[in-house]
Amino acid sequence: DAKTTQPTSMDCAEGRAANLPCNHSTISGNEYVYWYRQIHSQGPQYIIHGLKNNETNEMASLIITEDRKSSTLILPHATLRDTAVYYCIALNQAGTALIFGKGTTLSVSS
Amino acid sequence: NAGVTQTPKFRILKIGQSMTLQCTQDMNHNYMYWYRQDPGMGLKLIYYSVGAGITDKGEVPNGYNVSRSTTEDFPLRLELAAPSQTSVYFCASSYEPRYNEQFFGPGTRLTVL
Repeated sequence: DAKTTQPTSMDCAEGRAANLPCNHSTISGNEYVYWYRQIHSQGPQYIIHGLKNNETNEMASLIITEDRKSSTLILPHATLRDTAVYYCIALNQAGTALIFGKGTTLSVSS
Repeated sequence: NAGVTQTPKFRILKIGQSMTLQCTQDMNHNYMYWYRQDPGMGLKLIYYSVGAGITDKGEVPNGYNVSRSTTEDFPLRLELAAPSQTSVYFCASSYEPRYNEQFFGPGTRLTVL
């Protein structure tokens, strides 16, 4: 079973920051948290991943709480093209494959 | 690089028919994966492989078989198609998954009638 929980849906105004929360209170201390998104019916696309420290790349920022029980993906200036399902993911027990939950449907509107 | 390619893009099968979904990657990744996605749901892992000759079951392996004879190819076999296998199938590949992103193919949309 997925080790993460996310809200089912969120809305965001174009140009504003989108903050997507994720609870992962059951992951262990050495497990990374991964974020992917899926636009329409395309294959999922990698966004970012992190372990303890906050991470930033050209797409997004990932803020992980100090106790590692939750994290937030931040899209700093959401556009209409960011409308997608966002998945917060952990690996399976063997550490060999991503285990997807249902994700958060983010709707960005003008 | 073409990345991860899947064929066919669409297929309609009759109950009881068999077919193979093809997946090829040109990134020399050791790890390859098959997922299925039902409408409105997240992806479910069917099978995965950590290298040529090595495969393992995921969350929903029943009704499917895989083989991995080369690094590049990871075909998924449906032996006796059932309506419950109507889904979109995604293939993916990566280097060691803990530190590296997975690259996904465009998907195969399968309907079993």
